[in-house]
Amino acid sequence: NAGVTQTPKFQVLKTGQSMTLQCAQDMNHEYMSWYRQDPGMGLRLIHYSVGAGITDQGEVPNGYNVSRSTTEDFPLRLLSAAPSQTSVYFCASSYSNRGGNNEKLFFGSGTQLSVL
Amino acid sequence: KQEVTQIPAALSVPEGENLVLNCSFTDSAIYNLQWFRQDPGKGLTSLLLIQSSQREQTSGRLNASLDKSSGRSTLYIAASQPGDSATYLCAPSRAGNNRKLIWGLGTSLAVNP
Repeated sequence: NAGVTQTPKFQVLKTGQSMTLQCAQDMNHEYMSWYRQDPGMGLRLIHYSVGAGITDQGEVPNGYNVSRSTTEDFPLRLLSAAPSQTSVYFCASSYSNRGGNNEKLFFGSGTQLSVL
Repeated sequence: KQEVTQIPAALSVPEGENLVLNCSFTDSAIYNLQWFRQDPGKGLTSLLLIQSSQREQTSGRLNASLDKSSGRSTLYIAASQPGDSATYLCAPSRAGNNRKLIWGLGTSLAVNP
């Protein structure tokens, strides 16, 4: 059982380049989300989705786009990379966000992104 | 704004000790609370999820309690082992439709053989 799979694990970009971080889950989870983790700061929510075709902004959405065309996939697009986007990015999913143990969150192993 | 504080920030103990990690949050109107473990260079693993109507949850050597009225949760680790070395994060979720998690900075635990 693969769980939440993120690719790539590492990426180096130049300022202004664009790229897509991939996230896929095989648990039929409705809820998917993207976080960034920076030293000295708690995890910050970028975007989230409560189901295919539905996305919404988190705390720090600027500079990022998402789409949810299938239940399994939730890619994160950096439109024009900036050094401030250097971070570790995590994708996470849960069965739902409608209460109970269905809200237990499962994380991918992360993508280390450096923007030069 | 909801804030989460975890004390201590770092802890180093000999193997076999019983440990208590503390988490406090400013808003008692939370929906539930999860405790996670993060190993260096890896993602987070949910250890325990405590519903708003519950006071505690147990899994093996781990026990987490929740006191919403005082804005506190504790994670108790019994008979610590070197394999328990990791960063432990607590994350209450806001009440309301989105129930977004609010994150602390974690407690970095080292259990020495």
